[in-house]
Amino acid sequence: QVHLVESGGGVVQPGRSLRLSCAASGFTFSNFGFHWVRQAPGKGLEWVAAISFDENNKYYADSVKGRFTISRDDSKNILFLQMNSLRTDDTAVYFCAKDLPYRPYYLDYWGQGTLVTVSS
Amino acid sequence: EIVLTQSPATLSLSPGERATLSCRASQSVSRNLAWYQQKPGQAPRLLIYDASNRATGIPVRFSGSGSGTDFTLTISSLEPEDLAVYYCQHRSNWPPLTFGGGTKVEI
Repeated sequence: QVHLVESGGGVVQPGRSLRLSCAASGFTFSNFGFHWVRQAPGKGLEWVAAISFDENNKYYADSVKGRFTISRDDSKNILFLQMNSLRTDDTAVYFCAKDLPYRPYYLDYWGQGTLVTVSS
Repeated sequence: EIVLTQSPATLSLSPGERATLSCRASQSVSRNLAWYQQKPGQAPRLLIYDASNRATGIPVRFSGSGSGTDFTLTISSLEPEDLAVYYCQHRSNWPPLTFGGGTKVEI
């Protein structure tokens, strides 16, 4: 059974950094691309970043480009999101999600999310 | 960037009724469109991909149609557990992936 579990969220001051993790189980991690998607309180879904199965391709939303870095550790089945220079408008629940088999960029399994609050 | 516009913002219906949700793209996305369901306090769940293919385990009352710029998600007979916000998402000309603003279905 596929499981994705995010961790690393919390309260952080503007300008500081935070690293999110997403632990995966129940499937062959190295075969899939992954995404981070966020949802500000009471708002809709915003795609943040994506990484290909081989880590050769990484993509970012304009709102986080240059501040956030997506990476993966296939030996531990963990996806990461390094978030630097955090701003108040980065406050959101951050979800990790995996690609649908043979249909990348459709997201077939999601974690439950981790809340990041950026506030002074 | 392709913009997805969903309508209506809120849909209030009774159990057993048919729900029709719309998603319009600012330019053609061919059939590269998905629908997700997000129940209160939960993560989104993939319902439909490639405009009309049901994801694994999705009940047959959920169906998708459309191509190009106009898409529809239909729930043939509403169940109380279908209370949720529904989002469309495209994967054409990425990045970025974009989601529509959502339609809230009230039962």
